Amino acid sequence: AQKVTQAQTEISVVEKEDVTLDCVYETRDTTYYLFWYKQPPSGELVFLIRRNSFDEQNEISGRYSWNFQKSTSSFNFTITASQVVDSAVYFCALTSSGGSYIPTFGRGTSLIVHP
Amino acid sequence: GAVVSQHPSRVICKSGTSVKIECRSLDFQATTMFWYRQFPKQSLMLMATSNEGSKATYEQGVEKDKFLINHASLTLSTLTVTSAHPEDSSFYICSARMSNYGYTFGSGTRLTVV
Repeated sequence: AQKVTQAQTEISVVEKEDVTLDCVYETRDTTYYLFWYKQPPSGELVFLIRRNSFDEQNEISGRYSWNFQKSTSSFNFTITASQVVDSAVYFCALTSSGGSYIPTFGRGTSLIVHP
Repeated sequence: GAVVSQHPSRVICKSGTSVKIECRSLDFQATTMFWYRQFPKQSLMLMATSNEGSKATYEQGVEKDKFLINHASLTLSTLTVTSAHPEDSSFYICSARMSNYGYTFGSGTRLTVV
């Protein structure tokens, strides 16, 4: 069985603060993929990043960065200098061969950035 | 990039009526589609997996007679909520699998049953 845990239900920050969203996953498979999606109030899911289990390199994309650590089964997401437009629900997801590559989502973290 | 068009984006229907939600892959063939349901402030819950030309596989606890899924072509999958009731009010999202690591989501349908 696979599982994704996002322990933070809601995070509230003031603009320009850095914020890290945590994601811890569980899977018995050695081949798996991890994702982050953003869901703004309009509802659509916006793809942010995908990482495979064989690539532990951290990634930076503008103000976004991701820290993948297999030793702690974590795939954390950091927003630097947050902006009001970053306010959304963020989902971490996992697919693996054992799960027939059907995405399993975490419960989501609601990020509120105040001006 | 690959796009899945989901319609309608919002629908209000009377209790007892049926509602059909469509998801079309616009520039690729979607062999496998997933249908999710999302309650307010909650995660996406997988309802069923549909493969083109075969019957959908429903998750435990999802009523197949209530949530009819049809995936008759490689570009269209539909979810019909039959005899809708207020408790069926929710946000429904489809997703097309493009590979073991590539998924495209529709924009979602907010269903309100009054």
